[in-house]
Amino acid sequence: EAGVVQSPRYKIIEKKQPVAFWCNPISGHNTLYWYLQNLGQGPELLIRYENEEAVDDSQLPKDRFSAERLKGVDSTLKIQPAELGDSAVYLCASSGGLAGGDNEQFFGPGTRLTVL
Amino acid sequence: LAKTTQPISMDSYEGQEVNITCSHNNIATNDYITWYQQFPSQGPRFIIQGYKTKVTNEVASLFIPADRKSSTLSLPRVSLSDTAVYYCLVGSFYNQGGKLIFGQGTELSVKP
Repeated sequence: EAGVVQSPRYKIIEKKQPVAFWCNPISGHNTLYWYLQNLGQGPELLIRYENEEAVDDSQLPKDRFSAERLKGVDSTLKIQPAELGDSAVYLCASSGGLAGGDNEQFFGPGTRLTVL
Repeated sequence: LAKTTQPISMDSYEGQEVNITCSHNNIATNDYITWYQQFPSQGPRFIIQGYKTKVTNEVASLFIPADRKSSTLSLPRVSLSDTAVYYCLVGSFYNQGGKLIFGQGTELSVKP
């Protein structure tokens, strides 16, 4: 079974340019997460979807970041315009979304963004 | 929010048991505790999850005291391939919108 797929794996852009990341979760997983991970730090949740609904986007910088999951399957995270401080790894994860504690998150390999 | 605290790094030798503790003093009633392993250039990988007392699977054990303000991941007989960063995650999956907080991570180095 395919795991969580993310693309691109690496992206280098100049500041003020837009950038988009794509994630395809594991088939059947209705919960999808976007995390940001800075070097030497733990992942920080940006947004969490239950199907098409964003149930937690409190940590998403909405002035420049946006995300969508239109059909409740794959998702896109966008930054416009990018700033130097946005350089990080952007991780996508998915889970079965079951109530209770049996909620193992499966992570993709991440997209490493470098803003010059 | 349940902020988590872990040791920054730990050293061990092959064959030893390793215990990594995570403090989460403000854990909420609905929060679960999950541990992940991460290798360079990869996403985190699930190790174990628990709510209280002790949980054991084929790779690790998780000990959670009655007050749930800390948890300890136990890795029996580590090998060189266990060299990685280990994160504890505290958060609620039961309530929609429950916060998910990762610790800073513990870099485990296993030596021959």
